[in-house]
Amino acid sequence: NAGVTQTPKFQVLKTGQSMTLQCAQDMNHEYMSWYRQDPGMGLRLIHYSVGAGITDQGEVPNGYNVSRSTTEDFPLRLLSAAPSQTSVYFCASSYSAWGGEQYFGPGTRLTVT
Amino acid sequence: AQTVTQSQPEMSVQEAETVTLSCTYDTSENNYYLFWYKQPPSRQMILVIRQEAYKQQNATENRFSVNFQKAAKSFSLKISDSQLGDTAMYFCAFMRRTGGGADGLTFGKGTHLIIQP
Repeated sequence: NAGVTQTPKFQVLKTGQSMTLQCAQDMNHEYMSWYRQDPGMGLRLIHYSVGAGITDQGEVPNGYNVSRSTTEDFPLRLLSAAPSQTSVYFCASSYSAWGGEQYFGPGTRLTVT
Repeated sequence: AQTVTQSQPEMSVQEAETVTLSCTYDTSENNYYLFWYKQPPSRQMILVIRQEAYKQQNATENRFSVNFQKAAKSFSLKISDSQLGDTAMYFCAFMRRTGGGADGLTFGKGTHLIIQP
């Protein structure tokens, strides 16, 4: 099993550009989520999904869209990048929609200039 | 909303010593999970230990153990016989269980633990 994979590892965007951060898991996990990590802030939840076709907002959803058309994939879309979205982004998954141990991907470092 | 507080931004101990990292949380929920995650310089998030709120027994994983005090909303991590590889950021995290499933982790700001040789 590859576990949770994220692409790209690094990305630089200009203000106003859009892009999609990819996240995939091959463990047949129901639950997937996206977090951002800023210096001194810990990780904060952006969006999550308890199963294919079901998504919900977390603590900091503004400026981001998600969809979950398959169990395996949970892409995060930045609609119009802003410097405030410069951060490290982590995708995570867990077997049960009821929570439990979260398996994290390696992260994507995004810089918006 | 839940909050998680880690009051020690940085700690430093000698190799082989025992160290305890503090975590308190605030919630009105009764059904939840608590976790400690380790983040080394590689930035990979690694689960250290988990505790389910309905279990009174404190979780242990080899050199790692917790002191879970539900009434006091405290969840400290004890690392015994600390090793150089334990040097990392440690995050305490809370996850509630709701009728519609879990709704994500709430993290503290982290404690930077340095193990000195």
